[in-house]
Amino acid sequence: DAGITQSPRYKITETGRQVTLMCHQTWSHSYMFWYRQDLGHGLRLIYYSAAADITDKGEVPDGYVVSRSKTENFPLTLESATRSQTSVYFCASSESGRGYEQYFGPGTRLTVT
Amino acid sequence: QKEVEQNSGPLSVPEGAIASLNCTYSDRGSQSFFWYRQYSGKSPELIMFIYSNGDKEDGRFTAQLNKASQYVSLLIRDSQPSDSATYLCAVDMNYGGSQGNLIFGKGTKLSVKP
Repeated sequence: DAGITQSPRYKITETGRQVTLMCHQTWSHSYMFWYRQDLGHGLRLIYYSAAADITDKGEVPDGYVVSRSKTENFPLTLESATRSQTSVYFCASSESGRGYEQYFGPGTRLTVT
Repeated sequence: QKEVEQNSGPLSVPEGAIASLNCTYSDRGSQSFFWYRQYSGKSPELIMFIYSNGDKEDGRFTAQLNKASQYVSLLIRDSQPSDSATYLCAVDMNYGGSQGNLIFGKGTKLSVKP
């Protein structure tokens, strides 16, 4: 199916473990984004990518790593998970940069124990 | 500090009434404005975007933009219980080295009572 998908949808992990959240889009959109959504903070940008092999930090990048070797995939890695990273993570994509609407994936609910 | 402000609500309106959702933003250079709807436990869904001052209508939804006042609003006519959701305002802003990424407000929770 066309669109943007995320996996896993739910994940429970322990403090200190590495975990990778996957994002895949079939629209061939140039831009992809990772957000986290927490009560009281709303949606905050973690990292974004303008194209394959081009990534940049957003508002809250600490503790996260991204890569983008293919246009359609944009994985987010928590190198050593902490309880403060318990959140709902959304991936989004956009045809281009400024001025273009973003479309969101279904989200991954991550719990770090 | 780049900010997008929304009243958190909840905003409660009776079925059939007009719901008015408001948003202010801090960056005078912003050019693109979006409204997303988010049902509980779901991802944000784009419902409207507006780039120019004035009104833009799409079905029961009207987006209004006033750049001089740095104010954008969303009107929902003939509100239905299915409109009950959190509405997120998003505005493009430059910050740091980024070029016009979206900054989201924290959202206004709308409840439409039958």
